[in-house]
Amino acid sequence: GQQLNQSPQSMFIQEGEDVSMNCTSSSIFNTWLWYKQDPGEGPVLLIALYKAGELTSNGRLTAQFGITRKDSFLNISASIPSDVGIYFCAGRKKTSYDKVIFGPGTSLSVIP
Amino acid sequence: EAQVTQNPRYLITVTGKKLTVTCSQNMNHEYMSWYRQDPGLGLRQIYYSMNVEVTDKGDVPEGYKVSRKEKRNFPLILESPSPNQTSLYFCASSPGQYQETQYFGPGTRLLVL
Repeated sequence: GQQLNQSPQSMFIQEGEDVSMNCTSSSIFNTWLWYKQDPGEGPVLLIALYKAGELTSNGRLTAQFGITRKDSFLNISASIPSDVGIYFCAGRKKTSYDKVIFGPGTSLSVIP
Repeated sequence: EAQVTQNPRYLITVTGKKLTVTCSQNMNHEYMSWYRQDPGLGLRQIYYSMNVEVTDKGDVPEGYKVSRKEKRNFPLILESPSPNQTSLYFCASSPGQYQETQYFGPGTRLLVL
């Protein structure tokens, strides 16, 4: 079964709106990662988080490592058309740190 | 330019016809990996390699083979492709197994009839 769940599955938003998405698991994670996949390309790492409660920004993107260590959140402020793509959360579980596990992705569409 | 290249980008084949998807990186990375991407399932790791001549199974290795004879190359081999291997495949590399910044190739879209 899916080890990571992402919500929502897809989003259609107006340009300029803020976006929030999350990633949850029943397992404890030691590392959370957020990737973006542009249409027709491979994923690119946006943000990496290493400590519970950590809040890290990358431009208009902000991600947080949940305090339970079983979830993570990504926010995008003032969305623009080039934010379109699939956002994947990923992470390393406490019990299997050698592997990176990916979530199913959140597809974001921005309406100009 | 630092990059991961994959070939071919698109491939249509028939059941049982052996094929190889090549992957090459020019960053002298030790760690390389293959993933498949399917709708609703995200990226699942097929095989990975921590260095030359060292390979290991990921989460979905059945029906696939890999080799790592040189540091820069990590080909994915499907000895007898089946329709359930129709997918989008990504090769990735990073400086080490525990380095978070994996560099992904552009992807290979495979259709097995």
